[in-house]
Formats: sequence, structure tokens, C-alpha cells
Amino acid sequence: DVKVTQSSRYLVKRTGEKVFLECVQDMDHENMFWYRQDPGLGLRLIYFSYDVKMKEKGDIPEGYSVSREKKERFSLILESASTNQTSMYLCASSLYPGVPLNTEAFFGQGTRLTVV
Amino acid sequence: QQPVQSPQAVILREGEDAVINCSSSKALYSVHWYRQKHGEAPVFLMILLKGGEQKGHEKISASFNEKKQQSSLYLTASQLSYSGTYFCGTEILLGAGSYQLTFGKGTKLSVIP
Repeated sequence: DVKVTQSSRYLVKRTGEKVFLECVQDMDHENMFWYRQDPGLGLRLIYFSYDVKMKEKGDIPEGYSVSREKKERFSLILESASTNQTSMYLCASSLYPGVPLNTEAFFGQGTRLTVV
Repeated sequence: QQPVQSPQAVILREGEDAVINCSSSKALYSVHWYRQKHGEAPVFLMILLKGGEQKGHEKISASFNEKKQQSSLYLTASQLSYSGTYFCGTEILLGAGSYQLTFGKGTKLSVIP
């Protein structure tokens, strides 16, 4: 079974702290994504990566950065946490589109981050 | 840019049917559908590729109109287990091998006895 593992289920941080959210997948997937989920706003794409050291901005990248030094690991960094970054963060991974043409995304269980 | 889903919420009695719609303003490579139950991660239901195909999964099926960049998810003879929030995900080719997967705001489906 594909497994996407996020390092923490719950996290409480103080305003101004630098926060690292870690995500590891075990299926050799090329694509990895970070989303945040807020009530009424659905899943919003923060950053994604289609290869090691490659990254692309999603719809809401402000206040975040990412790192992908190894294929299996994709980290989301909050440079200076603020209260409006309190949210559920979901990591996902998928195969690169091609053969087979199945780019199903597998999600981690999420990290509930509270910034106080 | 998030695809637009409708309706935002729907309540069904067991055995009733529902349709959830998804539209995008961009040229799509594929459309995904996922279901998320409370407190759990989203789970993949199906993917539809360019070509306007219709796919089925038990009593849940979907269609993709490539020309209109629209997809619909059809739930027939709903069961209590269908309750959850349904998300459509649209996959867009950005170039240089980069594919972006963006989700809508979701449709909350509640099936009652």
C-alpha cells in the first residue's frame, strides 16, 4: 500500500516561530503537493514539486517555502508563523503523468497546526 | 485557480440520486474525484482523462466534457456510506513536465435514513 506520512498530527507553535512540516512517501512518486484545508475554502494548493530540487508555487504560496532534497521527502516551511496560518495541512503525492495514465493522488493524514 | 464546484451542500435520503458539478476556466489534462469523511484524508474515487470518457465505480460514475472543461459526478441509489465531502481536482499541464493538481471547495453530501 502507498503510504504518505506526515510527521505530526497536531502541532502548536508561537507567532514568529519558524515551523517545519515534514512529509515522506514510500512509492517513488515524482509529484508531491502541499495543501491547506480550511472550512468553506476546500483544499488550496500552496506549493508542489515534480522532481528533486524542483518546486512550483500554487495558489497561496505567500508566507511559505518548501524543500525537496530527496525524492521521497517534501517539507513545508513557515518562515515566521502567524495566526492566520492556523489550519489543517495536507501533503499528497502522485506518479508523473505518462504510462500508466493514472495520477491518483495519495494523501497523508494531515497536520493540524495551531499558531498562538 | 480553484475549479468551481456546485452545489456546496446536498442532503439526500437513502436511495436518492445526486449530481455534483465541477468546472474550470483552464484547459484540463484530467479531472479527479475524491471523497473525504470527517477527520480522515481524502480518498481517490476516479480519474477522467481528456477524451470525454465516462467512468464508473459501483453506483458512482462521472463524465468529463473536455470542450467545456466540465465534469460531473453521479451518485445513484445513495447509501449512508456515501456521506462525506466530495472534491473535484483538476490537473493542468504547466510545461517542462510540471502538472498542477488543484481542488475545488468541495460539496458536502449528507445521506439520511
